[in-house]
Amino acid sequence: GESVGLHLPTLSVQEGDNSIINCAYSNSASDYFIWYKQESGKGPQFIIDIRSNMDKRQGQRVTVLLNKTVKHLSLQIAATQPGDSAVYFCAEGSGGYNKLIFGAGTRLAVHP
Amino acid sequence: KAGVTQTPRYLIKTRGQQVTLSCSPISGHRSVSWYQQTPGQGLQFLFEYFSETQRNKGNFPGRFSGRQFSNSRSEMNVSTLELGDSALYLCASSLRQDSEAFFGQGTRLTVV
Repeated sequence: GESVGLHLPTLSVQEGDNSIINCAYSNSASDYFIWYKQESGKGPQFIIDIRSNMDKRQGQRVTVLLNKTVKHLSLQIAATQPGDSAVYFCAEGSGGYNKLIFGAGTRLAVHP
Repeated sequence: KAGVTQTPRYLIKTRGQQVTLSCSPISGHRSVSWYQQTPGQGLQFLFEYFSETQRNKGNFPGRFSGRQFSNSRSEMNVSTLELGDSALYLCASSLRQDSEAFFGQGTRLTVV
């Protein structure tokens, strides 16, 4: 498949462990924050979002934390599985999803 | 329900040529955004259309243009292709500005 990013930071975890992927965002005015997962040869897939009036949101096996003071976003994946191996992007938007600014991405490698 | 469909999946063009890429959004979605993804620059916003009007534009030269039709399908055009235009071009659609954006699989453009 296509190479999403040749020199992305990589997080290696053991299957079953919890993963934490971090992201620093750039615009204090952003009010939408989203995590996307991109597998080789595919487009980004929505995982979870959070609005600026929240600091935590949980989904199925995933939790997103937002710290506006230091402009930091994190994605926690519980009980990481081999199928979670992919590149993860954070994205920020102002007023909605229509003009997203993406982070550089982090490659998650899950080892059995 | 069908997802976002982009055609063609792969394209090879020569420097100086022009190219048109197509995106069919999810049925009922009226907002369509385009992004360019390269290993060096990551995911960068190109432009966004809603109800046939360009609402937002990224920092790309005028060689990059787009349009949206009354059925919400969108096309983007790149004229006078340069080697640096080689990238994965992604289209995303959303129901409204504040609803999540769904990405297609992209069109891989190679300029030789």
